[in-house]
Amino acid sequence: GQNIDQPTEMTATEGAIVQINCTYQTSGFNGLFWYQQHAGEAPTFLSYNVLDGLEEKGRFSSFLSRSKGYSYLLLKELQMKDSASYLCAVSPLVTGGSYIPTFGRGTSLIVHP
Amino acid sequence: DTAVSQTPKYLVTQMGNDKSIKCEQNLGHDTMYWYKQDSKKFLKIMFSYNNKELIINETVPNRFSPKSPDKAHLNLHINSLELGDSAVYFCASMRGWDTGELFFGEGSRLTVL
Repeated sequence: GQNIDQPTEMTATEGAIVQINCTYQTSGFNGLFWYQQHAGEAPTFLSYNVLDGLEEKGRFSSFLSRSKGYSYLLLKELQMKDSASYLCAVSPLVTGGSYIPTFGRGTSLIVHP
Repeated sequence: DTAVSQTPKYLVTQMGNDKSIKCEQNLGHDTMYWYKQDSKKFLKIMFSYNNKELIINETVPNRFSPKSPDKAHLNLHINSLELGDSAVYFCASMRGWDTGELFFGEGSRLTVL
């Protein structure tokens, strides 16, 4: 099975930097994903890491260490609109070649003025 | 054009009833999914389906059944609804594992009274 852990809630100040950590244990590994979900909306894709290292995309960066089963999402120059839930997801390879992204419980980020 | 669309967006019904939620994707993706998001915002996989294979999360009661008339549709049928079935149900699709990106529908909020 899979076990994905991330903090339940974090708070930060507008303009600051915040790092949201995710640790995982999974049988087989085919990538780690981060999604953003605003209240009342569907999740939207932020990033995908399959190899170790840092992937940067604008104000958002995602890091992966496969040997440690660890990832983080780094948000820079925080804006009020970044207040949302951030979901870490991993996907093992299941029988038949299907991939089934499995989500952590999400981290609710609150950005203060 | 909406990439992944679900209907209805809201559904209020009585315990014991049978209901269906429809999902259509116009992205030409091979794999579709159903996720359930409970009141604590935990996004849990229910089904994965492509034109070759249906994978069912073993924890999903057999009152839930996916039906796929063709590659672009994956409907969710629920028999004998229970109070605990109240949640937001998200349909999603994925092109392939090279991108790892799930495209979500807007969600269908089911309330069982």
